Amino acid sequence: DADVTQTPRNRITKTGKRIMLECSQTKGHDRMYWYRQDPGLGLRLIYYSFDVKDINKGEISDGYSVSRQAQAKFSLSLESAIPNQTALYFCATRRWDRDTGELFFGEGSRLTVL
Amino acid sequence: KNQVEQSPQSLIILEGKNCTLQCNYTVSPFSNLRWYKQDTGRGPVSLTIMTFSENTKSNGRYTATLDADTKQSSLHITASQLSDSASYICVVSAGGSQGNLIFGKGTKLSVKP
Repeated sequence: DADVTQTPRNRITKTGKRIMLECSQTKGHDRMYWYRQDPGLGLRLIYYSFDVKDINKGEISDGYSVSRQAQAKFSLSLESAIPNQTALYFCATRRWDRDTGELFFGEGSRLTVL
Repeated sequence: KNQVEQSPQSLIILEGKNCTLQCNYTVSPFSNLRWYKQDTGRGPVSLTIMTFSENTKSNGRYTATLDADTKQSSLHITASQLSDSASYICVVSAGGSQGNLIFGKGTKLSVKP
């Protein structure tokens, strides 16, 4: 089983719909991240969480919200999806106490907003 | 402003040939630099980490170098294989409690038979 699991893997939705992408991890890491990836733009940080009570905005948080339900679960929501949110979304985890900066990524969630 | 620049953006080589990917960074303070490999449609996976005191590190056919003075890193792939076709992403970790990560946009490598 994957250490970082994202659901759904693929989703097609319409403009204005609410969408939730879910991420769960079995690595026991305290830090979790949501990134989006667009061709030519690379990976960009949406939100990150250092623990259940610590949520932080990344460089492109507008239009997104997150929830850290438990140490192992971190969800990303699009309250009212728009076409330019069509992208590949990645959840990642990171261990801090012996931090070497390594991120462990999920397999990605491909979102298409029509 | 902390930045990571990768070159080239894309590269096509024949199977069996060698290639070198470049990463230049302006990140301060510097903690470490990682190279990730991302297969199409998959999440990135770490290939190697370079810290300030390391000049060269190998992982099989992959060899990374770091010149902390010029703030440059390279990833050399020897005897390329079709499975090396992927995007390679350079990520620099800034020091401090936040441990901010600065991403390059990646180099897309295609290995042709």
